[in-house]
Amino acid sequence: AQSVTQLGSHVSVSEGALVLLRCNYSSSVPPYLFWYVQYPNQGLQLLLKYTSAATLVKGINGFEAEFKKSETSFHLTKPSAHMSDAAEYFCAVSVPSGGSYIPTFGRGTSLIVHP
Amino acid sequence: DAGVTQSPTHLIKTRGQQVTLRCSPKSGHDTVSWYQQALGQGPQFIFQYYEEEERQRGNFPDRFSGHQFPNYSSELNVNALLLGDSALYLCASSWDRSNTEAFFGQGTRLTVV
Repeated sequence: AQSVTQLGSHVSVSEGALVLLRCNYSSSVPPYLFWYVQYPNQGLQLLLKYTSAATLVKGINGFEAEFKKSETSFHLTKPSAHMSDAAEYFCAVSVPSGGSYIPTFGRGTSLIVHP
Repeated sequence: DAGVTQSPTHLIKTRGQQVTLRCSPKSGHDTVSWYQQALGQGPQFIFQYYEEEERQRGNFPDRFSGHQFPNYSSELNVNALLLGDSALYLCASSWDRSNTEAFFGQGTRLTVV
């Protein structure tokens, strides 16, 4: 079975600083990997995904993530944080099962951005 | 395009009651998945519907059941509600079962008292 670990339930940065949200996964087969963002009282929005193409994936709102197989990691970064980036971020891993890919989500990391 | 729409947005039920939540997928999508997100947790997969059949199921009891209609909309039913069923229930739709382009609705906040 696959699993996801998000290191740090809360990450606090200053506006304009680098954002780094950590995600490590375990999977017995090559996985698909995702990052989602959730604003208060909202559903999840896909930021970016890795599906076995380029290992450096660029997403929306200036976010990117790098798939590192040797480290089983898929960390999310953004060069310069903006106040509007404050939200909950979820990493997810999915593998094929019965014709479907069902994602397993991490517990989430709350990003706090200080002025 | 309205995206994925869920109804109702909020719901309060009493223990032991039954509840039905509804989801309309994004236009062009034929696969619907349901998730339970408890407070402070990530979403947990409940089940996936495709071609009006349940295709995959997560680790949820039989009290959780669903249905998909010919227009691809879906319902989630929960019987004999427990306090622990209080959560945000999310519906996601996709154009295939790979879920690589899944779109989520805003969810239904269920409170069981």
